[in-house]
Amino acid sequence: EVQLVQSGAEVKKPGESLKISCKAFGYNFTTYWIGWVRQMPGKGLEWMGMIYPGDSDTRYSPSFQGQVTISADKSINSASLQWSSLKASDTAIYYCARLPFVVVVAGTQYYFDYWGQGTLVTVSS
Amino acid sequence: SSELTQPPSVSVSPGQTARITCSGDGLPKKFAFWYQQKSGQAPVLVIYEDYKRPSGIPERFSGSSSGTVATLTISGARVEDEADYYCYSTDNSGDNRGVFGGGTKLTVL
Repeated sequence: EVQLVQSGAEVKKPGESLKISCKAFGYNFTTYWIGWVRQMPGKGLEWMGMIYPGDSDTRYSPSFQGQVTISADKSINSASLQWSSLKASDTAIYYCARLPFVVVVAGTQYYFDYWGQGTLVTVSS
Repeated sequence: SSELTQPPSVSVSPGQTARITCSGDGLPKKFAFWYQQKSGQAPVLVIYEDYKRPSGIPERFSGSSSGTVATLTISGARVEDEADYYCYSTDNSGDNRGVFGGGTKLTVL
């Protein structure tokens, strides 16, 4: 059974660093992209970026490029999302999810199938 | 444009058919996907590749796509279908960056 298990809720102060994780079970971790999605309080879903654990190829949304770092450690089947200096506006739930692909006329298209349970990050002074 | 536009809210009575639309210029060449998110829970994939239903998703959920508009239809909506629904596709960057619609709050009462 495919499962993505995320690390627990975090409470941090502005300026602090943070790394949250997402551990994969039940499939070959190195052969699927894995991505991160932000959901700010009371708001919709935002695509942040994705990583291919097989070779660490990483893509970011322009909105999140330079603001976060996505990484993966295939030795422990785990992906991570990292901030070097948190802001209050980073307060949100962050989801990881697996990305299979389909072939379309324009090439391939990736989408989310299995999701983690979410990690609530609260940044407050 | 990579944007996907959904109505903010749709309301139906139990047993009625709910239709949620998703408009995007890229949809004629790309698939649409639909996610259901109930309050306090992670999103769940309910429709993939425009109309396919994952295992375990009730048959009352269906999808279609024509031109620049994808539609999620819930036939005989139930109270338990009340949730936020998001359409999803990918942009035209060539890097497969994902795009979500703004979400539609479905009320069944």
